[in-house]
Amino acid sequence: NAGVTQTPKFQVLKTGQSMTLQCAQDMNHEYMSWYRQDPGMGLRLIHYSVGAGITDQGEVPNGYNVSRSTTEDFPLRLLSAAPSQTSVYFCASSTREGQPQHFGDGTRLSIL
Amino acid sequence: SQQGEEDPQALSIQEGENATMNCSYKTSINNLQWYRQNSGRGLVHLILIRSNEREKHSGRLRVTLDTSKKSSSLLITASRAADTASYFCATDNNNDMRFGAGTRLTVKP
Repeated sequence: NAGVTQTPKFQVLKTGQSMTLQCAQDMNHEYMSWYRQDPGMGLRLIHYSVGAGITDQGEVPNGYNVSRSTTEDFPLRLLSAAPSQTSVYFCASSTREGQPQHFGDGTRLSIL
Repeated sequence: SQQGEEDPQALSIQEGENATMNCSYKTSINNLQWYRQNSGRGLVHLILIRSNEREKHSGRLRVTLDTSKKSSSLLITASRAADTASYFCATDNNNDMRFGAGTRLTVKP
């Protein structure tokens, strides 16, 4: 099992560009989530999904979109990148909400 | 806003000593989880304690939960250099998952 796979590992964008961060899990987990980690602030929940076709907003959803067309994949889209979105983004999955989460190794995103 | 807040922010100890990290939170919870993060890597789940539990053990880890004080502690006994990492508490309340800013633990050989 690969667990949770995030791509790309690093990305540099210009302000106003859009991009999609990919996340895939091979554990047949129902629950998937996206976090951002900023220095000194811990992780903050952006969006989550309790199953295919169902998504909901977390603590900091503005500027991001998600979709969950399959159980395995949960992409995060930045609509128009802003310097404030420079961060490390983590995707995680678990059997269901509230259960221990498995994390990917993150995408380090810089927006100039 | 953050829910869990860890204390201390940083902790440096010698190999073999015990390390205690504390977490305080603000609202009611379903469970509280502790995670570990090595530099440049994703978080790894350590232990989950439910709101109706007071103490839980896993190997060298001991977690306590006091819901009346809205606090939890993580004790790592007989620490090793490999325990050097950041440790985060996370509270779950009906899909509202909140992480603290973490405690940076350094274990010197």
